[in-house]
Amino acid sequence: DTAVSQTPKYLVTQMGNDKSIKCEQNLGHDTMYWYKQDSKKFLKIMFSYNNKELIINETVPNRFSPKSPDKAHLNLHINSLELGDSAVYFCASSPRDRAGYGYTFGSGTRLTVV
Amino acid sequence: DAKTTQPPSMDCAEGRAANLPCNHSTISGNEYVYWYRQIHSQGPQYIIHGLKNNETNEMASLIITEDRKSSTLILPHATLRDTAVYYCIVRVVGSSNTGKLIFGQGTTLQVKP
Repeated sequence: DTAVSQTPKYLVTQMGNDKSIKCEQNLGHDTMYWYKQDSKKFLKIMFSYNNKELIINETVPNRFSPKSPDKAHLNLHINSLELGDSAVYFCASSPRDRAGYGYTFGSGTRLTVV
Repeated sequence: DAKTTQPPSMDCAEGRAANLPCNHSTISGNEYVYWYRQIHSQGPQYIIHGLKNNETNEMASLIITEDRKSSTLILPHATLRDTAVYYCIVRVVGSSNTGKLIFGQGTTLQVKP
């Protein structure tokens, strides 16, 4: 019954590999997001999709490519992984990407690049 | 973008009210104040939000000053499970009427027995 679910929960991989993180929400929300939390615990928005359409791209390297096959899913694909990509990645959703609505976050995917 | 200032850390005795302050002196008229918390590397959890009026829900109360330049989150009876990082966020509304949550450093609240 998890509202926003991410898989995998943990991901350890070598530099240069390509990996994907999946996110699904069963809340009927229109908007989904990816956030990155680095080792200093700062949470930064990466992308936002509204009903499958990209609306926010926070100058994230091209190696990161989000894909939203439908409004309930937002996956994150990362090419040529680098050490600096190690972080916890959180997916979130909200009813609409407007003020007045709260976000629901997933439990995170801890990515470690070695 | 309006920014927020919070104390880096606070302590609170279990069972007492925890009052977490936040300054947002550059807030615009159409920007909401949101509060989230993050418990030990879990995903951030929405607590409450408000625009002008004070708000209360099952988790907390939000008191916003009349000039809207500051607010206080109140946890009426703090428990050990309320130990977390609390984020005060002003919701940015861009030209396309899309907003995004920008997290600062937050306040680490330690509830002590």
